[in-house]
Amino acid sequence: GNSVTQMEGPVTLSEEAFLTINCTYTATGYPSLFWYVQYPGEGLQLLLKATKADDKGSNKGFEATYRKETTSFHLEKGSVQVSDSAVYFCALSDLVGGSNYKLTFGKGTLLTVNP
Amino acid sequence: KAGVTQTPRYLIKTRGQQVTLSCSPISGHRSVSWYQQTPGQGLQFLFEYFSETQRNKGNFPGRFSGRQFSNSRSEMNVSTLELGDSALYLCASSLERGGSYEQYFGPGTRLTVT
Repeated sequence: GNSVTQMEGPVTLSEEAFLTINCTYTATGYPSLFWYVQYPGEGLQLLLKATKADDKGSNKGFEATYRKETTSFHLEKGSVQVSDSAVYFCALSDLVGGSNYKLTFGKGTLLTVNP
Repeated sequence: KAGVTQTPRYLIKTRGQQVTLSCSPISGHRSVSWYQQTPGQGLQFLFEYFSETQRNKGNFPGRFSGRQFSNSRSEMNVSTLELGDSALYLCASSLERGGSYEQYFGPGTRLTVT
């Protein structure tokens, strides 16, 4: 079945540091890939997405490129801020039974950014 | 456009009781999914409804059930509550389009079982 593996957290960085959160996936088809973010006490928010190989999703300074050859979708940001402190989830969607889609999530990575 | 809403936001129940949680999806979205989030197990898929039919189901006992109404609003029910059911329950809605199945989440219902 489909699965998503994220780097173990927690990740602690200083403000303006470079961020990478690794994500790799296993899927039988051609999934779409997503990064979601969860701020303390809130639900998940869609951060960015990519629907096919070599697509780059980007939003709020975050980027991730769909790499089919390495089955990866690593999240990067050049300069993190304290307000980026949150839990980040990598996810994929793929066809189930040929007729509908299902999302599979990674376990999440807690990011803490210190001033 | 209003987002996904969930009610109530917080609940405290006693072991053995039952509970019903409600979710209103984004207008026009026909797919509603439910997830349980706990510190130990992370985000676990419960079930998904589309046009009033359960389309996908996760690996949870029969005490967990759900339904969807004709206006796409959904409810989930947990009977005979156990301490381990304490969790954040998240609802998400989706407008399936062209293979990009992105979900939009509500703020969640925090259930505490004592």
